[in-house]
Amino acid sequence: AQSVAQPEDQVNVAEGNPLTVKCTYSVSGNPYLFWYVQYPNRGLQFLLKYITGDNLVKGSYGFEAEFNKSQTSFHLKKPSALVSDSALYFCAVREGTGRRALTFGSGTRLQVQP
Amino acid sequence: GAVVSQHPSWVICKSGTSVKIECRSLDFQATTMFWYRQFPKQSLMLMATSNEGSKATYEQGVEKDKFLINHASLTLSTLTVTSAHPEDSSFYICSASGNRGKANYGYTFGSGTRLTVV
Repeated sequence: AQSVAQPEDQVNVAEGNPLTVKCTYSVSGNPYLFWYVQYPNRGLQFLLKYITGDNLVKGSYGFEAEFNKSQTSFHLKKPSALVSDSALYFCAVREGTGRRALTFGSGTRLQVQP
Repeated sequence: GAVVSQHPSWVICKSGTSVKIECRSLDFQATTMFWYRQFPKQSLMLMATSNEGSKATYEQGVEKDKFLINHASLTLSTLTVTSAHPEDSSFYICSASGNRGKANYGYTFGSGTRLTVV
């Protein structure tokens, strides 16, 4: 079975500082990894995904994530946080190919202080 | 890009009534639709997976007679909460996977529906 862990319920960072939102995963095969952002009472917006290839994946709004197979991690990063980045962030995993559902982590609330 | 339109955005209904939530793929064929439920400050929990023209596959613990899913066309899937009760109050989100021509579209999410049962 596939699973995702986001160990931090909340991450606080000052505007302009780098941010990291942690994610670790567990799958028995090759992982397909995703990051989504959710604003209050809204659906999920896609940020980036890792399927194969370069371990460093660049996505929307200046976010990037690094796939680390040995540590089974896929942490989300941004060099300089904005107040508007404050939202709920979800890491998700899918094992293998095909139209399978994503399994989501518990979510991490990012609070960027001015 | 791919767009999934989900309606209504919010709905308040009386206990015992039924509510229908629609998800439409606007510019691609949604061959697969995933329905999720999200409790406040919690993650998304998969309720069911439906493929166009087939019966939905429900996750363990989800009552298929209570949460009726229809996916009769490649652009429309509906979730009907039957005989709703206050404990069904939640945020429901659909996610469509499909294609337009040779282009694949995976995991496009609707904007969600806030259901409140009073």
